[in-house]
Amino acid sequence: IAGITQAPTSQILAAGRRMTLRCTQDMRHNAMYWYRQDLGLGLRLIHYSNTAGTTGKGEVPDGYSVSRANTDDFPLTLASAVPSQTSVYFCASRRGGNSYNSPLHFGNGTRLTVT
Amino acid sequence: QQQVKQSPQSLIVQKGGIPIINCAYENTAFDYFPWYQQFPGKGPALLIAIRPDVSEKKEGRFTISFNKSAKQFSLHIMDSQPGDSATYFCAASKSGNQFYFGTGTSLTVIP
Repeated sequence: IAGITQAPTSQILAAGRRMTLRCTQDMRHNAMYWYRQDLGLGLRLIHYSNTAGTTGKGEVPDGYSVSRANTDDFPLTLASAVPSQTSVYFCASRRGGNSYNSPLHFGNGTRLTVT
Repeated sequence: QQQVKQSPQSLIVQKGGIPIINCAYENTAFDYFPWYQQFPGKGPALLIAIRPDVSEKKEGRFTISFNKSAKQFSLHIMDSQPGDSATYFCAASKSGNQFYFGTGTSLTVIP
C-alpha cells in the first residue's frame, strides 16, 4: 500500500542523546514535511523540503535538522534531545505545485518521550 | 503567532446532531483551506477542502462554509455518527508553500 512509513513508532530517549526519526514515502512526492503535534498547539511545522536536495525551516526549527538526499527519504535529527521535544512527530508529503490538487499525506507518527 | 485560530477545543454532541467547528485567519494571501480528520494513533487525513472563490462545498455529510470578507470558515457535520468521533484540524496554505494548522477540535458523538 502506497504511503508514508515512519520509524520508530515510539521511543523513550534520555535527555542529551541524539536521535533520528525516519520517514520514507513511496508516492514519488516532491515535497516533504515534518510536523510536531502537541495538545492545545495543533500541528506545527518544523522543517520542509520542496524537492530533493533542498530544505527549509518551518515555525519551530530550533534543535532539529533534516536532510533530503533523495526523493523518498526525509530523516529528522535531534542532535541533543531536551524534554521540551517530547511530542508526537508526523512526517507528511505532497506531490507539489497547486495546493488544491496536491493535498498533504501524513504518516502515522512517532511518539517521542525525552526524559 | 497562530496563523489559523480554531474553536472550540472540544465538542460533544448526540448522534444525529450537527457539530460546527470554526476557524479564522488573517493572511488574505491564503488560497487553500483544507480540513483534516485524525483518529487516535493515526496521522491526520484530508477530509474536505475549499478554495476562497466559493462560499460552500459539500462532500457527503461534511460541509465547509467559507466567508471571505470575514476571513472565517467552518466545518459542519450533518447527521453526526459515533464513527465521526475524532480530532479535526482546519488549515490554510498560500500557494502550497506552507500549511498552517489550527489547534484542533476533539469531537465526541454520543450514541
